[in-house]
Amino acid sequence: EAGVVQSPRYKIIEKKQPVAFWCNPISGHNTLYWYRQNLGQGPELLIRYENEEAVDDSQLPKDRFSAERLKGVDSTLKIQPAELGDSAVYLCASSSQAGGNTEAFFGQGTRLTVV
Amino acid sequence: QQQVKQSPQSLIVQKGGISIINCAYENTAFDYFPWYQQFPGKGPALLIAIRPDVSEKKEGRFTISFNKSAKQFSLHIMDSQPGDSATYFCAANFGNEKLTFGTGTRLTIIP
Repeated sequence: EAGVVQSPRYKIIEKKQPVAFWCNPISGHNTLYWYRQNLGQGPELLIRYENEEAVDDSQLPKDRFSAERLKGVDSTLKIQPAELGDSAVYLCASSSQAGGNTEAFFGQGTRLTVV
Repeated sequence: QQQVKQSPQSLIVQKGGISIINCAYENTAFDYFPWYQQFPGKGPALLIAIRPDVSEKKEGRFTISFNKSAKQFSLHIMDSQPGDSATYFCAANFGNEKLTFGTGTRLTIIP
């Protein structure tokens, strides 16, 4: 079974430019998370979806970040315009509550560098 | 109240030794405590997890010890191997809520 797939793996953009990240979760996982991981830190949640509904976006900087999960499967995370401080690894994760299992599976992440 | 504090920040252990990483949490609503292992350029991968109804869980060379009254849990890696060199994150959550991660421990196993 394929794991969580993210693309691109790496992205270098100039500040003020837009950027988008894509995530395909594990098949059947209804919960999808976007985390941001700064260098030397643990991941921090940006947004959590239950199916197509964003149920926790309290940490998403809504002035420049947006996300969507159409049809409750794939998701995109967008930054517009990007700032130097947005340089980080953006991780997508998914989980299923079948049987009460809350294990979250992570993708390899997209490393964003804003110059 | 959502913090998870992790120590040490880095750890060097000789091959064959025991690696011990500690975490402390504040939110008593947490009911799931996983440890993630992360290699450079990879996403975190679940290593082992525990729920607060047990005090210890062992899987191979990896053991979680859990102290509910002290709100602390730790990861023990027995017979540490060079392939265990990675960054380890403790985390906590309840239900399907977000995982709250510790700040990570960079483990290096030397021959």
